[in-house]
Amino acid sequence: SQTIHQWPATLVQPVGSPLSLECTVEGTSNPNLYWYRQAAGRGLQLLFYSVGIGQISSEVPQNLSASRPQDRQFILSSKKLLLSDSGFYLCAWSVGGRSSYNEQFFGPGTRLTVL
Amino acid sequence: QKEVEQDPGPLSVPEGAIVSLNCTYSNSAFQYFMWYRQYSRKGPELLMYTYSSGNKEDGRFTAQVDKSSKYISLFIRDSQPSDSATYLCAMSLTDSWGKLQFGAGTQVVVTP
Repeated sequence: SQTIHQWPATLVQPVGSPLSLECTVEGTSNPNLYWYRQAAGRGLQLLFYSVGIGQISSEVPQNLSASRPQDRQFILSSKKLLLSDSGFYLCAWSVGGRSSYNEQFFGPGTRLTVL
Repeated sequence: QKEVEQDPGPLSVPEGAIVSLNCTYSNSAFQYFMWYRQYSRKGPELLMYTYSSGNKEDGRFTAQVDKSSKYISLFIRDSQPSDSATYLCAMSLTDSWGKLQFGAGTQVVVTP
């Protein structure tokens, strides 16, 4: 069966510090991978998605970047955090491919507070 | 204007009542419509999925899609306290690499 891991679960960081959040998927190959941010009282905002190793698409301009160094590893990074980067970060995966619809499976999330 | 509009609630109902949730959207090209349930401090999980217009029933849950009105609904019958969660609608286009557009989510509280 497939499993998705995210860590850390919670993180408190000062403004201007770097960030690295990691997501790994087990039990599947060549998944589509997604990073979302969920602010309080708001829906999920898609930040990045990846359809293969080294292939990253950004959905919104921001202070963050993403990388996919391995097939089932997705990393969200920032060089200097802003207060507005606070939120609940969710990683998700779906069966790879472009067409049709495939269910997205979400990880447990990382709650980031920037002070 | 947001592509997907959803009332954030909270929506409070007594146990056993019918919960009615809905979303409106502006992009008529959306073809896939989903409802996700999210418990506090957890990742969302898929509850219902519908392709194009029509109704779909799964146990106590019924999803409806009206593409002519750009309106989707989720009904929960015989609501239970364990149904207390945030319900997010989501939708996607064809050939979009699985990307989803989410509503803001509606917080539902079912009181015993």
